[in-house]
Amino acid sequence: QTQLQESGPGLVKPSETLSLTCAVSGDSVSSSSYYWGWIRQPPGKGLEWIGSIYYGGSIYYNPSLRSRLTLAVETSKNQFSLKLTSVTAADTAVYYCARGLPGGAAAPVGFWGQGALVTVSS
Amino acid sequence: QSALTQPASVSGSPGQSITISCTGTSSDVGGYKFVSWYQQHPGKVPKLMIYDVSQRPSGVSNRFSGSKSGNTASLTISGLQAEDEADYYCSSYTSSTTWVFGGGTKVTVL
Repeated sequence: QTQLQESGPGLVKPSETLSLTCAVSGDSVSSSSYYWGWIRQPPGKGLEWIGSIYYGGSIYYNPSLRSRLTLAVETSKNQFSLKLTSVTAADTAVYYCARGLPGGAAAPVGFWGQGALVTVSS
Repeated sequence: QSALTQPASVSGSPGQSITISCTGTSSDVGGYKFVSWYQQHPGKVPKLMIYDVSQRPSGVSNRFSGSKSGNTASLTISGLQAEDEADYYCSSYTSSTTWVFGGGTKVTVL
């Protein structure tokens, strides 16, 4: 059973870079059968798709975040990561890491991490 | 990409049926069969309830069903139960090879 766990700073200053990692257990990030992704949810608001990445290089970014976003897979640690630059208060949210079901980029999210609250504040 | 449009709230009495709509465009909902619905209880992680417009994952009650017509998808919950009270989000694959979510609908069981 795939399990995902987010980790990273809970507080980031405005204009700095938000960095999160997602540790994967019970599965391998080297699998090319599904994507690894990130979704966020501002407090009291709805879900927003951030992006997804396949082992092997295919990456799909939310167009509204593309210029500030980097996703990567780290096979040696069996984890994947997110970096979001130049953050503002609008980036304050619970960040979920996720895994798609088998079936390609159009498959829905089948597994979610527990979520990590990141607050952007000075 | 703009968020899909959902009603902010829908309510019903136990045993009744309710339907939540999700309206997009021909670049997302109308263009693909890849519409999903997620249930989220307060403070909990979202749970996949419907995928590919009308498919139920293993373990999801058959009281939940999905459909689509043109640019609008729908989730119907029949035989409404107290445990169904939650937020529901639709999501669609898009022509940008990403996903877009709806704004969410709060379901209240009266």
